[in-house]
Amino acid sequence: EDQVTQSPEALRLQEGESSSLNCSYTVSGLRGLFWYRQDPGKGPEFLFTLYSAGEEKEKERLKATLTKKESFLHITAPKPEDSATYLCAVQAWGAGKSTFGDGTTLTVKP
Amino acid sequence: EAQVTQNPRYLITVTGKKLTVTCSQNMNHEYMSWYRQDPGLGLRQIYYSMNVEVTDKGDVPEGYKVSRKEKRNFPLILESPSPNQTSLYFCASRRTSGGSTDTQYFGPGTRLTVL
Repeated sequence: EDQVTQSPEALRLQEGESSSLNCSYTVSGLRGLFWYRQDPGKGPEFLFTLYSAGEEKEKERLKATLTKKESFLHITAPKPEDSATYLCAVQAWGAGKSTFGDGTTLTVKP
Repeated sequence: EAQVTQNPRYLITVTGKKLTVTCSQNMNHEYMSWYRQDPGLGLRQIYYSMNVEVTDKGDVPEGYKVSRKEKRNFPLILESPSPNQTSLYFCASRRTSGGSTDTQYFGPGTRLTVL
């Protein structure tokens, strides 16, 4: 059974204080690992897909990396508008379904 | 504007009263899916559909039905709702061929309360 564990559950940062969110996973043949951002009361918004170990993707202050067992979402010099819940999900080859982690709720204080 | 729409956005009902939550997408996506989101349990997949007339169970399908008669619509049916189906429901869609097949678009959510 595919499993995704995200840590920490919650993270509070000062504006400009860089940090990382962790996503550990087990999956029988990784097709893709996905990162989403979710604002309160809204649907998740797609950020990145990573396909193989060593791959990295960047978008503004966010950078996602992937190893064979985990993924990191690095946030550089965060701003208050980066406050949200960040979700990680995996999909196995040949599987139509996705498995999500519980998310990390990030709060960035000005 | 590319979007996934869900209706209703909020619903309060009673145990046993059949209900349908509609989902529609305007992006001609082949793949559509339903999730529920509960505190401490994250997003869990209920059902998904790879294309018209093709549906399959996710992780928590009990108590739900779906149908995919048209490409754009994927309704979620609760034949006899129970209080443990009180949750926030999301519909999502994505392409399965061509570019950007991994960009999954989510709807705004339907908050369901079953009394």
